Amino acid sequence: RKEVEQDPGPFNVPEGATVAFNCTYSNSASQSFFWYRQDCRKEPKLLMSVYSSGNEDGRFTAQLNRASQYISLLIRDSKLSDSATYLCVVRENTGFQKLVFGTGTRLLVSP
Amino acid sequence: NAGVTQTPKFQVLKTGQSMTLQCAQDMNHEYMSWYRQDPGMGLRLIHYSVGAGITDQGEVPNGYNVSRSTTEDFPLRLLSAAPSQTSVYFCASSFLRQGNNSPLHFGNGTRLTVT
Repeated sequence: RKEVEQDPGPFNVPEGATVAFNCTYSNSASQSFFWYRQDCRKEPKLLMSVYSSGNEDGRFTAQLNRASQYISLLIRDSKLSDSATYLCVVRENTGFQKLVFGTGTRLLVSP
Repeated sequence: NAGVTQTPKFQVLKTGQSMTLQCAQDMNHEYMSWYRQDPGMGLRLIHYSVGAGITDQGEVPNGYNVSRSTTEDFPLRLLSAAPSQTSVYFCASSFLRQGNNSPLHFGNGTRLTVT
């Protein structure tokens, strides 16, 4: 089983749609969680951290369910510019607090 | 504020050649790391460093060396390039804090092709 698993997609949605991605992680001792965004042929960039209480940043909402070991990202009112790959990232509670990356979920927003 | 600067952006090597990928950060980050990204495999950690003079291996260290003589610089050396090292390489850095919710900041990446 992969340490961090994501549906690779692609998710094809029209502008204005709401779309949700899930990510599961295998290490129950993981301590920090993030969503990164990666545009084609570019570096990953932090989208948002994920907190146990859930957090929102504009059209983006992240949730963490420690009991079920999954993280979600909800995007409301999708824009063309949201088209990208979304990487789920988990920081493990090991010696050097290793970051484990999912393979990413690709989102395509069409007009 | 330049952030994480990575060079070169593109490189083609022949099998057996050696080269160094440069990485520098100006954010006073203690933690620096190198990843490679291959289709369908996500980002995999090659080597990392938690401070000047301290380096350690990640998941896929074979064929690569690193050093950290200063806080700012963390070069990655390919000793004898192989086609299996064709990949996109990212340098990334962050603060080290207790609890460590500090995100990684990435360089622009190096696209390496080994023929």
